Amino acid sequence: DQQVKQNSPSLSVQEGRISILNCDYTNSMFDYFLWYKKYPAEGPTFLISISSIKDKNEDGRFTVFLNKSAKHLSLHIVPSQPGDSAVYFCAASAAGNQFYFGTGTSLTVIP
Amino acid sequence: EADIYQTPRYLVIGTGKKITLECSQTMGHDKMYWYQQDPGMELHLIHYSYGVNSTEKGDLSSESTVSRIRTEHFPLTLESARPSHTSQYLCASKSSRGAGLQQFFGPGTRLTVL
Repeated sequence: DQQVKQNSPSLSVQEGRISILNCDYTNSMFDYFLWYKKYPAEGPTFLISISSIKDKNEDGRFTVFLNKSAKHLSLHIVPSQPGDSAVYFCAASAAGNQFYFGTGTSLTVIP
Repeated sequence: EADIYQTPRYLVIGTGKKITLECSQTMGHDKMYWYQQDPGMELHLIHYSYGVNSTEKGDLSSESTVSRIRTEHFPLTLESARPSHTSQYLCASKSSRGAGLQQFFGPGTRLTVL
């Protein structure tokens, strides 16, 4: 059974607007959450993370929000740029050993 | 920037062949992982290692095997390739020390078995 879910396979956003990517998880033992960005024919690259002791983490244009009670996290990209077009994977871990990934959301930023 | 390498990047091979996918990292990371990923699907953990001479199977059943004789090297071997093995294989590493818990990924190997 999938423990990390990304229910939107794709998202299109106009350049300059906000992109919001969502992720849900089922395991309450997860205490560390990450977002990765993946271009075709390349491996995922780490984008931003958040620990379960926080509800928000910001790094430049990227902000991750964590709602532990809803078991939900989201990645906000503001402003969106065409170079942000990629597949975004959400991942979760308990104690930093094994990581569980979602199925990814393909973001297209339209110039 | 992470230094983790995978070879070959692309491989097309016939059924029944033995293949080894190479993965090396120069960061001295103790933990290494192999994932299998198909388009539109999540990354499935197939093998991991927490150090030299330590290997474990992941959640996804796999007919492949791995070895960890040196810290920097974590090859994956398929004794007899089949069309069902066609997929992208991603190697990753992380350190159990330091504040960051993220994994660093290699560029992947796209395997096609005919």
